[in-house]
Amino acid sequence: GAVVSQHPSWVICKSGTSVKIECRSLDFQATTMFWYRQFPKQSLMLMATSNEGSKATYEQGVEKDKFLINHASLTLSTLTVTSAHPEDSSFYICSALRTGAAETQYFGPGTRLLVL
Amino acid sequence: QKEVEQNSGPLSVPEGAIASLNCTYSDRGSQSFFWYRQYSGKSPELIMSIYSNGDKEDGRFTAQLNKASQYVSLLIRDSQPSDSATYLCAVNTEANFGNEKLTFGTGTRLTIIP
Repeated sequence: GAVVSQHPSWVICKSGTSVKIECRSLDFQATTMFWYRQFPKQSLMLMATSNEGSKATYEQGVEKDKFLINHASLTLSTLTVTSAHPEDSSFYICSALRTGAAETQYFGPGTRLLVL
Repeated sequence: QKEVEQNSGPLSVPEGAIASLNCTYSDRGSQSFFWYRQYSGKSPELIMSIYSNGDKEDGRFTAQLNKASQYVSLLIRDSQPSDSATYLCAVNTEANFGNEKLTFGTGTRLTIIP
């Protein structure tokens, strides 16, 4: 199967600081990765689509200046939550798109962010 | 109007029985359909993908797709307590072609009763 990792798995930070989350596809190259956010007992919410070598595409209502996405290589995308506030506390999950005979998204294990 | 709909549950099934999860979608042009399993506090894990009408079996899991009726289902045979999780239906709708986005249902919470 396809393996996607995320780092860190959890992070606690003070309000106003920035947090960087890494998403790596370990055994395949991913031109496209996705960043989701999930609040307790709610479904996944797509935040943005990360494309290698180009700007990310953000979903409506997601602030691109607050959630910075960089997809610098075919195996790594990063999400930086800038000037984090308590309302940004959530479960952030990335997925990598594996292409070939069929296109399938494989999810990383997620990063739990708590902003104090 | 939701594009992908699932009964939120909870759905309770006795151990050893068949669990049946259903999903309907609104976009007739949809081509790719996925079932993900999500344990509490964890990220989604791919269970099945299906692209053509009919049944697709993988172990205890069977995905069924009926494009004319716009529904996709997941059957879990010989249900085990470890199958207790939230099951997410995801569809690559026609509106998303070109950007490979998936539209997710809200998920059905399944509980297998020992």
